[in-house]
Amino acid sequence: DAKTTQPNSMESNEEEPVHLPCNHSTISGTDYIHWYRQLPSQGPEYVIHGLTSNVNNRMASLAIAEDRKSSTLILHRATLRDAAVYYCILANAGNMLTFGGGTRLMVKP
Amino acid sequence: KAGVTQTPRYLIKTRGQQVTLSCSPISGHRSVSWYQQTPGQGLQFLFEYFSETQRNKGNFPGRFSGRQFSNSRSEMNVSTLELGDSALYLCASSPTQNEQFFGPGTRLTVL
Repeated sequence: DAKTTQPNSMESNEEEPVHLPCNHSTISGTDYIHWYRQLPSQGPEYVIHGLTSNVNNRMASLAIAEDRKSSTLILHRATLRDAAVYYCILANAGNMLTFGGGTRLMVKP
Repeated sequence: KAGVTQTPRYLIKTRGQQVTLSCSPISGHRSVSWYQQTPGQGLQFLFEYFSETQRNKGNFPGRFSGRQFSNSRSEMNVSTLELGDSALYLCASSPTQNEQFFGPGTRLTVL
């Protein structure tokens, strides 16, 4: 399975944008890039996914590099509620998600 | 719509026993996946069921099994429990192959 590399942790100030990077240099042409987050004491929560083009939804934006070897999850205005572990996952067809270590995002008031 | 529900939420068993966990997916979702989360190994995929058939399987021993019923509800069973099976077991349902909705999990403690 193609793997992803994320920083272990990041800090942000409340109400500022946050850019969470993910490297996936061995991504295959059919791998989708998924982002999930896990708040304390909860199950993971879907954030966004994309294949080649940048994607926006109400939660976040996903910027995908032209060569698809990296991507960035963008939270436009971090709130305290966004403090969570963010997972960048590559997934082919099917619902088999391979989670890595993720990035623990801390948001300071 | 109601979310994914898992029962029980907490469970304590002893080594050698077996356990059955239950998951009710979101109405209309036909895919149900199971994951194990431990502090050491993180989140690991167990298996996925779609229309009562196992569609994908992770790298877990045969002691871990599952099934799905015609109403899409799913159960997973762990036999001959070991201390290392202590974990949070998460169920996720999906209407497609792109977005999964996770339940709150069942926390299993094996003594």
